[in-house]
Amino acid sequence: EAGVAQSPRYKIIEKRQSVAFWCNPISGHATLYWYQQILGQGPKLLIQFQNNGVVDDSQLPKDRFSAERLKGVDSTLKIQPAKLEDSAVYLCASSSWDANQPQHFGDGTRLSIL
Amino acid sequence: DQQVKQNSPSLSVQEGRISILNCDYTNSMFDYFLWYKKYPAEGPTFLISISSIKDKNEDGRFTVFLNKSAKHLSLHIVPSQPGDSAVYFCAASLLRNTDKLIFGTGTRLQVFP
Repeated sequence: EAGVAQSPRYKIIEKRQSVAFWCNPISGHATLYWYQQILGQGPKLLIQFQNNGVVDDSQLPKDRFSAERLKGVDSTLKIQPAKLEDSAVYLCASSSWDANQPQHFGDGTRLSIL
Repeated sequence: DQQVKQNSPSLSVQEGRISILNCDYTNSMFDYFLWYKKYPAEGPTFLISISSIKDKNEDGRFTVFLNKSAKHLSLHIVPSQPGDSAVYFCAASLLRNTDKLIFGTGTRLQVFP
């Protein structure tokens, strides 16, 4: 089966600009997650979707970050305006209803803010 | 607050020997623990998991041990191979596979010939 697809792989922008990331989960996976991984740290959840509904966005900086999952399939994460501290790898993951299956991750988008 | 901790940032092991990676957690409500492996420029790849009702799970060369009283888990790799060189993340969740993962900071394993 195809894995979690993310694009772009790399993005460089200046602070105060906007940027968007795209994720296509594994087919049939109802749950989709966006994680932020800052250099030297483990991934941290930003937002979790169940189909097209938000389950957890408690760690999402809502003044600048937004995410949507229209039609319950692919998802976009947007940052506007970007700050220097947003430099990180943004990972998308998905999981199915099967309790025996773990979350599967994409290769991420590496964002650099100048 | 760091609920999942990996206190060793790096580990170096000779090929063929055992690698032991450690992880501590603070939240006794965690129900499910996982290890992910990450190569540079790739996403984390699932390695092995363990439910809180078990104390050991084995899959080939990889074994995870859970000590709930000590809030400690470890990953054993035997025998270690050069291809095992990567960053290993310990993660925990409150609910199996339908909840967010809380990750540690990772341990970089280097297996040398």
